[in-house]
Amino acid sequence: EVQLVQSAAEVKKPGDSLKMSCKGSGYSFSTYWIAWVRQMPGKGLEWMGIIYPGDSDTRYSPSFQGQLTITVDKSKSTTYLQWNSLKVSDSAMYFCAKARTSGSGWEPLDHWGQGTLITVSS
Amino acid sequence: DIQMTQSPSTLSASVGDRVTITCRASQNIFNWLAWYQQKPGKAPRLLIYKASSLESGVPSRFSGSGSGTEFTLTISSLQPDDFATYYCHQYNSYSQIFGQGTKVEIK
Repeated sequence: EVQLVQSAAEVKKPGDSLKMSCKGSGYSFSTYWIAWVRQMPGKGLEWMGIIYPGDSDTRYSPSFQGQLTITVDKSKSTTYLQWNSLKVSDSAMYFCAKARTSGSGWEPLDHWGQGTLITVSS
Repeated sequence: DIQMTQSPSTLSASVGDRVTITCRASQNIFNWLAWYQQKPGKAPRLLIYKASSLESGVPSRFSGSGSGTEFTLTISSLQPDDFATYYCHQYNSYSQIFGQGTKVEIK
């Protein structure tokens, strides 16, 4: 069974750093692109970026470029989303999701993590 | 960058109704379009990919059509489990985007 399991919810202060995780199992982790998607409270889905675990090729939405970093450790079948300095406006639910077909990032997202809720408040 | 315009933002309907949601792309995305269903507090679920292909396990009352710049998601006979928010997703490049969402409410 394909599963993406995300790290637990966190409460942080503005200026804190954060690294959240998404662990894949039940499929060939290295050969499927994984995307990260933000959902702010009561709002829609925003595509943030995508990473290929096989070679760490990473692409970002222009809206998120420079604001955060997507990385992967294929030995742990885990991808990460990290911030160096959080803002209140980073408070949101974050989802990871797997591309439907191996090898291509131009794909719909067929399996999703359960989401990680980040609250940033002073 | 490609922009997606989804409409309507909210739709009130009754069980048994035929429901149609539209997504328009600012430029040709061929058939690189997917549709998702999301319920409160849950992750999205893939319904349709390549504009009209039904994902495995999705009921046949869901269908997608269109190509180029205009796409539709149709629910042929709305069921109680279908009250949710629906999103389109263009994946024609490595700069992808979701539509704004359509909330399907009980009339």
